[in-house]
Amino acid sequence: NAGVTQTPKFQVLKTGQSMTLQCAQDMNHEYMSWYRQDPGMGLRLIHYSVGAGITDQGEVPNGYNVSRSTTEDFPLRLLSAAPSQTSVYFCASRPRGLPREQYFGPGTRLTVT
Amino acid sequence: QQQVKQSPQSLIVQKGGISIINCAYENTAFDYFPWYQQFPGKGPALLIAIRPDVSEKKEGRFTISFNKSAKQFSLHIMDSQPGDSATYFCAAGDNTDKLIFGTGTRLQVFP
Repeated sequence: NAGVTQTPKFQVLKTGQSMTLQCAQDMNHEYMSWYRQDPGMGLRLIHYSVGAGITDQGEVPNGYNVSRSTTEDFPLRLLSAAPSQTSVYFCASRPRGLPREQYFGPGTRLTVT
Repeated sequence: QQQVKQSPQSLIVQKGGISIINCAYENTAFDYFPWYQQFPGKGPALLIAIRPDVSEKKEGRFTISFNKSAKQFSLHIMDSQPGDSATYFCAAGDNTDKLIFGTGTRLQVFP
């Protein structure tokens, strides 16, 4: 099992550009989430999904879109990148029920200039 | 509004010492309290977790202490080793499947 994979590892965008951060898991987990990590802020939930076709907003959803067409994939779209979106983005997944351990991907470091 | 408050922000401990990281929460609906460990350039990984029906859980050198009435929980690392140097996050979750993280503690263990 590859676990949770994220691409790309690094990305530089100009303000106003759009892009999609890819996340995939091969563990057949129902739950998937996107977090952003900023210094001194911890990990903040952007969007999450409890299954294919179902998504919901987290703490900081503005400027991001998600969709979940398959169990395996949960892409995060930046509609019009802003410098405030410079961050490290982590995707996570976990199975339904107990235990609630989340498995994190290796992260994507995004810089918006 | 920060739902999970973590302290200290950074911690320096000598090898063999005890590292203690504290967290406090506000929402009494939280029923799951994990600690995650993150090494530089990697994603967080679950270290140990506790539910509110027990006051302590121990796994090797790592112990969670939980005080439900005070709405506080802490991570104790006994016999701290240089390999424990990492950032530690506490978190709290409820039945909505969201996980709210603390702001992290950077632990450095010196030989």
